[in-house]
Amino acid sequence: ETGVTQSPTHLIKTRGQQVTLRCSSQSGHNTVSWYQQALGQGPQFIFQYYREEENGRGNFPPRFSGLQFPNYSSELNVNALELDDSALYLCASSRNLDAGLEQYFGPGTRLTVT
Amino acid sequence: TQLLEQSPQFLSIQEGENLTVYCNSSSVFSSLQWYRQEPGEGPVLLVTVVTGGEVKKLKRLTFQFGDARKDSSLHITAAQPGDTGLYLCAGAGQAGTALIFGKGTTLSVSS
Repeated sequence: ETGVTQSPTHLIKTRGQQVTLRCSSQSGHNTVSWYQQALGQGPQFIFQYYREEENGRGNFPPRFSGLQFPNYSSELNVNALELDDSALYLCASSRNLDAGLEQYFGPGTRLTVT
Repeated sequence: TQLLEQSPQFLSIQEGENLTVYCNSSSVFSSLQWYRQEPGEGPVLLVTVVTGGEVKKLKRLTFQFGDARKDSSLHITAAQPGDTGLYLCAGAGQAGTALIFGKGTTLSVSS
């Protein structure tokens, strides 16, 4: 069984640029959630995708957007990057909505905005 | 707004000592989860507690869910250097499937 994978592992961008982060869910999982973890903080929920539709969103501005593909992989897009967007971005998958709390995390993408 | 407060924020102990980490909220959660996260990696699920008063054991780790389902604790017996890491508690948000995390407890166990 393949676990959750994310790419890239590290990324450096300049303020104002756009970034796309990618996530492959664990085999057999159809629900993907994205979290932002700032240094010294716990992860904060960005949004969740289930069967290619957004199924809940945290307190993040519209410049944070996402997609889920038919194979249940997912992308997180961030436009007009700000310095405060520097963080570890985590993707988590779960078997289905009913098992949504049993989430399995990928290793994350470390984004640095300069 | 649902919040989870973890204490202590930092803990530095010697190998063989016991410790307890607390996770408290003014809100009721249908379940709570505990994760451990090592530097540069994603959180790894340790346990899920669902029933008020529930106690679960995972080797030297004991997890308890408060009777009112507003708090939880993690007790480690005879800590080892391999227990070093960031311990996070998380509960289901009002949306139902999003996790709300505490800020975490950074544990350092030295030999």
